Amino acid sequence: QKEVEQNSGPLSVPEGAIASLNCTYSDRVSQSFFWYRQYSGKSPELIMSIYSNGDKEDGRFTAQLNKASQYVSLLIRDSQPSDSATYLCAVNEGAQKLVFGQGTRLTINP
Amino acid sequence: KAGVTQTPRYLIKTRGQQVTLSCSPISGHRSVSWYQQTPGQGLQFLFEYFSETQRNKGNFPGRFSGRQFSNSRSEMNVSTLELGDSALYLCASSLGGNLEETQYFGPGTRLLVL
Repeated sequence: QKEVEQNSGPLSVPEGAIASLNCTYSDRVSQSFFWYRQYSGKSPELIMSIYSNGDKEDGRFTAQLNKASQYVSLLIRDSQPSDSATYLCAVNEGAQKLVFGQGTRLTINP
Repeated sequence: KAGVTQTPRYLIKTRGQQVTLSCSPISGHRSVSWYQQTPGQGLQFLFEYFSETQRNKGNFPGRFSGRQFSNSRSEMNVSTLELGDSALYLCASSLGGNLEETQYFGPGTRLLVL
């Protein structure tokens, strides 16, 4: 079973600061990476996807991918209390099979 | 465009019973994946269907099965329920053509086995 690992947290960040979420994966040939956000009692919703090495920015969110290090991260700038949620890193193994990390619980403190 | 829908949203069953869950994908999506989410194991892949064919299967016992209809709607069935089957069951849909596609999740069915 290919693995995706995340720091389970909880990660506590003051409002307005940068939240940094990290993920490592075991399969060197993995090509597609996703960050989902899940609020308590809700289903996951996509935040970012990334396929190429480097950075990808979307508003306050930046995903970073380093395939050589098998590492993907998500930065949240100007963190808001509404960003408090569990963030799930996922890797597509093929035929639409997503392998998820355990998730990092993020709390933004006003 | 309407999102992924799942029915029922909540279900209570007793050990030994069987259950069928339903998922309607986003219009035009041909791939439906099923996942089980528990506090201990997190989100785990059950299986995926594309054009009525199972393309991929996770490491779950044969009690877990599924199918997909010609309109892309999908059902999953769990037979001989065990206490450990209590979980949130999520389905996700995508176009199904390549690895870079986003999977969109439904609201889930919360199953409690007593």
